[in-house]
Amino acid sequence: EIVLTQSPATLSLSPGERATLSCRASQSVGTALAWYQQKPGQSPRLLISDASNRAAGIPARFSGSGSGTDFTLTISSLEPEDFAVYYCQQRGNWPLTFGQATRLEIK
Amino acid sequence: QVQLQESGPGLVKPSETLSLSCTVSGDSIRDYYWSWIRQPPGKGLEWIGEIQKIQKSENTIYSPSLKSRLTISADTSKNQISLKLNSVTAADTAVYYCARVSRATGWYFDYWGQGTLVPVSS
Repeated sequence: EIVLTQSPATLSLSPGERATLSCRASQSVGTALAWYQQKPGQSPRLLISDASNRAAGIPARFSGSGSGTDFTLTISSLEPEDFAVYYCQQRGNWPLTFGQATRLEIK
Repeated sequence: QVQLQESGPGLVKPSETLSLSCTVSGDSIRDYYWSWIRQPPGKGLEWIGEIQKIQKSENTIYSPSLKSRLTISADTSKNQISLKLNSVTAADTAVYYCARVSRATGWYFDYWGQGTLVPVSS
């Protein structure tokens, strides 16, 4: 099973700042990695697929990069609605796995 | 617009079977793959299993940790996906989500239901 390790566990930033979230895989997944955003009481929402492709309707301030074992989700300038929990998920190998999450909170 | 609606019991007793349905509207289940994902209260996401039912072919893939207790099936006449998890314990208490897996998005979860909380308690 591929273990995804997200860091940091919690990220405290202010609106307008740049956020960089990391996801490291225990073995290579190529580019078969997605990022999801989850707000309290809501279902997760797909942000990024295949490491760097923004999903439909996702603002351009969200970008993904990486391949192999190291991946990054960047939010270029934080909006108030971006403070949420973020998960990475790999589809390179079965079983599918999620990272343990990064909580992005307002500083 | 695609909509997924999970339904099931409000409470399941330990050692019993947890049964959930996911009714899909706005799309045919024959055209996509479908996964179940769960989230214990206050914790992270766990993939449970996936059914890959395209036209007449069908394949199910389960999480190894749940494989011995889990069955996922599809009913094309009702446009529903179902989950059965037997011999449940308190550790199975979670919000259960069904999600669409789309080739267009690289086989990721592009639509999710709102989730249904299933407590396991006597």
